Amino acid sequence: DAKTTQPNSMESNEEEPVHLPCNHSTISGTDYIHWYRQLPSQGPEYVIHGLTSNVNNRMASLAIAEDRKSSTLILHRATLRDAAVYYCILRRNAGNMLTFGGGTRLMVKP
Amino acid sequence: DADVTQTPRNRITKTGKRIMLECSQTKGHDRMYWYRQDPGLGLRLIYYSFDVKDINKGEISDGYSVSRQAQAKFSLSLESAIPNQTALYFCATSETDSRRKGAFFGQGTRLTVV
Repeated sequence: DAKTTQPNSMESNEEEPVHLPCNHSTISGTDYIHWYRQLPSQGPEYVIHGLTSNVNNRMASLAIAEDRKSSTLILHRATLRDAAVYYCILRRNAGNMLTFGGGTRLMVKP
Repeated sequence: DADVTQTPRNRITKTGKRIMLECSQTKGHDRMYWYRQDPGLGLRLIYYSFDVKDINKGEISDGYSVSRQAQAKFSLSLESAIPNQTALYFCATSETDSRRKGAFFGQGTRLTVV
């Protein structure tokens, strides 16, 4: 899998939007961008994924740069329950594994 | 019921003992994975299986073995547990082409080797 770079930690205030960045400058044309999050004491949870276009689902939005070398996970209104480690991962092809980096620890302040 | 179930959820064992962690899934997925997570770190892949007859080593397979008993079951064994295998273990499943779908994780097994 190609490498991704994320900040180690970020802070947000409750009910404010949060933008979690991810750099993936070596992304290839067929790499899908996936985001997972891991709540305390739980297994990772799939959040969203995309290829080229921005994506929205009930959990979050994914904004992908035009050159695809970076992406941003957007939580529109952070809640205390969104405090977690967020992982940005590239999926290269059908045969590859899910490889986790260090992720971004999001702290949400009341 | 959870899509991916791990048993036991917590286990304390002694150095040198053999221990098996079990994982079962109701997703109907072909692919299953075992990961290990140490405190404050990301997940590292131990073993993975793309179908019942397929077993592959991940980045940290030394000291571990696996068995894929059926499509729905994937077990991880520590033949002779050692203290540095104390960690949180996760099982995961995914579809064959998992680029377009997310993977599903179990709740984890917290293993302590004393």
